[in-house]
Amino acid sequence: GENVEQHPSTLSVQEGDSAVIKCTYSDSASNYFPWYKQELGKRPQLIIDIRSNVGEKKDQRIAVTLNKTAKHFSLHITETQPEDSAVYFCAASLGGSQGNLIFGKGTKLSVKP
Amino acid sequence: DAGITQSPRHKVTETGTPVTLRCHQTENHRYMYWYRQDPGHGLRLIHYSYGVKDTDKGEVSDGYSVSRSKTEDFLLTLESATSSQTSVYFCAISGGQTDTEAFFGQGTRLTVV
Repeated sequence: GENVEQHPSTLSVQEGDSAVIKCTYSDSASNYFPWYKQELGKRPQLIIDIRSNVGEKKDQRIAVTLNKTAKHFSLHITETQPEDSAVYFCAASLGGSQGNLIFGKGTKLSVKP
Repeated sequence: DAGITQSPRHKVTETGTPVTLRCHQTENHRYMYWYRQDPGHGLRLIHYSYGVKDTDKGEVSDGYSVSRSKTEDFLLTLESATSSQTSVYFCAISGGQTDTEAFFGQGTRLTVV
């Protein structure tokens, strides 16, 4: 079946450094790629998303890039802060189905002060 | 936060008993989903619904059934709970204004003893 692979599973950075999380997907028809942040004991929340007609999107310290040819997309966090510590999930839409998402296994990001 | 609530928030049940989890939304979103979250597995789709009485299986549907008799309610039933179904269950909704963004409920922690 279709899947999304996410790397690394854990990532530790110093405050102020950049963090990059990478995902690859298998479904050629995927056209929507959201990223979710989940703090300990809380629900996942959308932090940024990108659609297949766009190569890059930025929102303050967060950016996402998409390479449809290679079927991979990445999350970039610059100037990391301790409050960025959380588990991050990438996801890809399944086929042309709007909203039917398949998730990566998550990356636990730790930002050390 | 999107108007989505799960009940109960916590439940302990015995092996072999039936269990029903409820997801209720006030957003009139078309799609509703049930995920389970386990360490090392990320978020895995159990079942989803694309309209009243329209449901389909996800990647880990064995042992689970769902029903959606109203737009606002999506029920997940474990017919005969097993210890392998101990997990955190998240409901999600999508299909609103942005069409694809998914909003998650607070989660239900289910323990099967």
